[in-house]
Amino acid sequence: SQTIHQWPATLVQPVGSPLSLECTVEGTSNPNLYWYRQAAGRGLQLLFYSVGIGQISSEVPQNLSASRPQDRQFILSSKKLLLSDSGFYLCAWSVLGEKLFFGSGTQLSVL
Amino acid sequence: DAKTTQPNSMESNEEEPVHLPCNHSTISGTDYIHWYRQLPSQGPEYVIHGLTSNVNNRMASLAIAEDRKSSTLILHRATLRDAAVYYCILRASNDYKLSFGAGTTVTVRA
Repeated sequence: SQTIHQWPATLVQPVGSPLSLECTVEGTSNPNLYWYRQAAGRGLQLLFYSVGIGQISSEVPQNLSASRPQDRQFILSSKKLLLSDSGFYLCAWSVLGEKLFFGSGTQLSVL
Repeated sequence: DAKTTQPNSMESNEEEPVHLPCNHSTISGTDYIHWYRQLPSQGPEYVIHGLTSNVNNRMASLAIAEDRKSSTLILHRATLRDAAVYYCILRASNDYKLSFGAGTTVTVRA
């Protein structure tokens, strides 16, 4: 069966520090991969999605970047975090955009 | 992108049915109607999706209007564990993205 791993579960980082969140999927090949962010009390915002290795689409201009170095690995990064980067980050996968399966999320607090 | 409109919140009593409406008057012929729900402090989970015909699964039923401009998610017997934010989303058949709106916050009273 397919599983998605996302870590860490919580993260507290100072403003200006770098960020790297990793997401891996098991049990499927060539999945579509997604990064979403949810600010406190707000809806989910699609940040990036990828349909293949090295193929990244950015939905919102921001302080973040994404990379897909392997078929089932999706990384969210920032060189210098801002206060506004705080939020609940969710990784998800799908096959051809049908059902999305989400990870357990990372709660990021930038102080 | 075609948009959806949902009520901000709904309340229900435990073991009663819940009917969650969604309006999507600008839906195109190839847009699928998806429903997800998000429990507190968790990622969303898939509930159901459909194109034209009504759909049933173990979690819920999806009733789609004949003109497809609206749909209703039906939880047949609400439990306390069904308290969540429910999202109605349109996805074009050739699109891999799902854009979530504000959703409907469902509260279930014991």
